[in-house]
Amino acid sequence: GQQLNQSPQSMFIQEGEDVSMNCTSSSIFNTWLWYKQDPGEGPVLLIALYKAGELTSNGRLTAQFGITRKDSFLNISASIPSDVGIYFCAGQRKTSYDKVIFGPGTSLSVIP
Amino acid sequence: EAGVVQSPRYKIIEKKQPVAFWCNPISGHNTLYWYLQNLGQGPELLIRYENEEAVDDSQLPKDRFSAERLKGVDSTLKIQPAELGDSAVYLCASSPGLASRGEQFFGPGTRLTVL
Repeated sequence: GQQLNQSPQSMFIQEGEDVSMNCTSSSIFNTWLWYKQDPGEGPVLLIALYKAGELTSNGRLTAQFGITRKDSFLNISASIPSDVGIYFCAGQRKTSYDKVIFGPGTSLSVIP
Repeated sequence: EAGVVQSPRYKIIEKKQPVAFWCNPISGHNTLYWYLQNLGQGPELLIRYENEEAVDDSQLPKDRFSAERLKGVDSTLKIQPAELGDSAVYLCASSPGLASRGEQFFGPGTRLTVL
């Protein structure tokens, strides 16, 4: 079935460092989404991307919709302790009526 | 504005027992989703409702799982009988409509432990 791959699986960084993570698929996606999940909570949408090549920012977060439409990237600048959590990429293959498929997540730990 | 409400937050049962989870979506959201999240993995869709109609239940194990959204508002997901492998977090999410372009609002989840 359809599958998204995320890398790295986990990362440990110092506070203040920048973070990069990515998401890849063997299939083309028309929508890419990035969610963050804190322990004991449900995922929260961070950024949504709808066009190949699109670059969108939300505060210290920047995400890009890959040109091939098979990947997406998330960058976090100047990390802070509250950035700790699991970051999921998600996508829709065809129309906005398609189900959303989630990746396995990247676990981020920030060392003060 | 209240978010998606789920109850209970935690449930521990013995295998072969029934269990039910309840979800109240954000007011006005027509689309409701139930997801299964295993440890270390992303959410996997079980069933998706548009108002009271299940528009995608292809991933719902219908031999033991059932769901309903009778009045198109709140929803119940049931497992009967539960198996050890059902231990997971069950997430409910809602969106204004199927055309919400993937943007969903999640509840905190129900963590199920089957002993």
